[in-house]
Amino acid sequence: GEDVEQSLFLSVREGDSSVINCTYTDSSSTYLYWYKQEPGAGLQLLTYIFSNMDMKQDQRLTVLLNKKDKHLSLRIADTQTGDSAIYFCAESKGGGKLIFGQGTELSVKP
Amino acid sequence: EAQVTQNPRYLITVTGKKLTVTCSQNMNHEYMSWYRQDPGLGLRQIYYSMNVEVTDKGDVPEGYKVSRKEKRNFPLILESPSPNQTSLYFCASANSNVDTQYFGPGTRLTVL
Repeated sequence: GEDVEQSLFLSVREGDSSVINCTYTDSSSTYLYWYKQEPGAGLQLLTYIFSNMDMKQDQRLTVLLNKKDKHLSLRIADTQTGDSAIYFCAESKGGGKLIFGQGTELSVKP
Repeated sequence: EAQVTQNPRYLITVTGKKLTVTCSQNMNHEYMSWYRQDPGLGLRQIYYSMNVEVTDKGDVPEGYKVSRKEKRNFPLILESPSPNQTSLYFCASANSNVDTQYFGPGTRLTVL
């Protein structure tokens, strides 16, 4: 199948780290993405990782890719209330096709 | 400002009344795509286009049509809308099929 799976909810306290997990099925995917959707808005690309990389760090964001287990994670350090949003992982199938997960709703409590 | 625009942003219509949702990008992107977002299902691709006059089906194309007569525009057409097409629709564009996709603000459609 072509499923990308994510847990639906995550709640953390302000200042803690958040880890959002995602599993995918297609080992031939070239790129894997993390998008953020704030209420009432479209999707904003946060970061992406090429399939031959294990880790990518971008300021407070760290992406880890375990190709063997087809597992992708997004870690947000020092989570702030402004990070509250829905986070989507997506895999690129090539030829213009993107498969998205269901989205993880992150709630950050003060 | 580089952007993807969609119109209308909100639409309430009735079953069977043809409608078009427009999408336009000003970044000279070759690639454009339509998605629908439903609770618990994430985003599902409806149609995509790699260039002018080139379109292809995504995962959920039934009940939708698209056209790509010019590079900047990619309208989504519902010839005979049905209530199961009530959803939040997003248009996106990218420079190529592996580049960052830029999303429009979304169109919330309700079919009664």
